[in-house]
Amino acid sequence: DAEITQSPRHKITETGRQVTLACHQTWNHNNMFWYRQDLGHGLRLIHYSYGVHDTNKGEVSDGYSVSRSNTEDLPLTLESAASSQTSVYFCASSERTGSRTDTQYFGPGTRLTVL
Amino acid sequence: GNSVTQMEGPVTLSEEAFLTINCTYTATGYPSLFWYVQYPGEGLQLLLKATKADDKGSNKGFEATYRKETTSFHLEKGSVQVSDSAVYFCALRSENFNKFYFGSGTKLNVKP
Repeated sequence: DAEITQSPRHKITETGRQVTLACHQTWNHNNMFWYRQDLGHGLRLIHYSYGVHDTNKGEVSDGYSVSRSNTEDLPLTLESAASSQTSVYFCASSERTGSRTDTQYFGPGTRLTVL
Repeated sequence: GNSVTQMEGPVTLSEEAFLTINCTYTATGYPSLFWYVQYPGEGLQLLLKATKADDKGSNKGFEATYRKETTSFHLEKGSVQVSDSAVYFCALRSENFNKFYFGSGTKLNVKP
């Protein structure tokens, strides 16, 4: 079955370190998204991509970067981790058919703690 | 702009009670509307969706009707179970883009 996976599921790092969170989907979806989830804020969009070599900033992109070298993967990099980036991170993907029924499918999440 | 507002939680109900979680939206154009559910320690799962006015999405006993006149998409269930305890997110997909906008989530606790 097609799926979307994230790794690692849990990560503890120190302030100032570079961290990369992996996201891999096997649906061959064009669109991929990264969100962070914090208590009281719901889901906030960090970066998104509509296809290979395409990346766009979301509402909370400062301190994060992504690159899209193939259809399946959209890794999220924290250039210099800060305690404010302690959060749960979700990756999602969707088709790009233009259909009104297009749905986002979510990975299981990565819990990141920055000490 | 696009935004989703849903009722704050937590909502605590007894088993077999009626559930309503309110959701209203602001959107340019004609969005599609979704409800997602998140169980503890898991990612979001699609619960139901509706793509045009007066459409009713339904799944697992949950229902929501796309009301364009009131810009609402309230989630309902006639008889909740303990296993329905989760966080529920209302979301819209903008008409012109493949971006989703999520509400802040409503936590539901169902007691036996």
